[in-house]
Amino acid sequence: GENVEQHPSTLSVQEGDSAVIKCTYSDSASNYFPWYKQELGKRPQLIIDIRSNVGEKKDQRIAVTLNKTAKHFSLHITETQPEDSAVYFCAASIQAGTALIFGKGTTLSVSS
Amino acid sequence: DSGVTQTPKHLITATGQRVTLRCSPRSGDLSVYWYQQSLDQGLQFLIQYYNGEERAKGNILERFSAQQFPDLHSELNLSSLELGDSALYFCASSWTADMNEQFFGPGTRLTVL
Repeated sequence: GENVEQHPSTLSVQEGDSAVIKCTYSDSASNYFPWYKQELGKRPQLIIDIRSNVGEKKDQRIAVTLNKTAKHFSLHITETQPEDSAVYFCAASIQAGTALIFGKGTTLSVSS
Repeated sequence: DSGVTQTPKHLITATGQRVTLRCSPRSGDLSVYWYQQSLDQGLQFLIQYYNGEERAKGNILERFSAQQFPDLHSELNLSSLELGDSALYFCASSWTADMNEQFFGPGTRLTVL
């Protein structure tokens, strides 16, 4: 089955710096790649997603890139702010409407 | 607020007991997913229902079962509980079987003593 690897497991940056989180997936049939942000004790919240027919997607300070050939995708956060501090999860799914397979998460700490 | 509701918020019980977790999807969503989040295993998919029918199974133990009712709410039943079942249990929903976006509920924190 699908396996998603995520790194780094922890990431500390200064406010205003950029942060990059990378994920790789194993199943070339995967075609949907969302990113979720989870604050302590809260639900995972979808922040951005990308489908396999797109190479890059941007939403204000966050962007996601996808390299299908290498089977990896990345989350980029620019101009980080303390409120960006959270655990970020990448995920992949093989087809529409199916279960998400999650990476282990990255704990991002943004210090001011 | 995602529109997905889960009850109860917290549940404390003893080993060997049985509990039921409840989830109401967003209005109009037909698909419900259950995930377990533990410190060492991360977010793991358990089971999916679509319009009342089981659609996919993940790492769900035989002691666990679920169902989706005609009003589309779903229940996850956990029996013969063990200490290792302590975790956050999330429900997520999506509109149709062809929609990828899943919206998570607030979760139920289960503590088995």
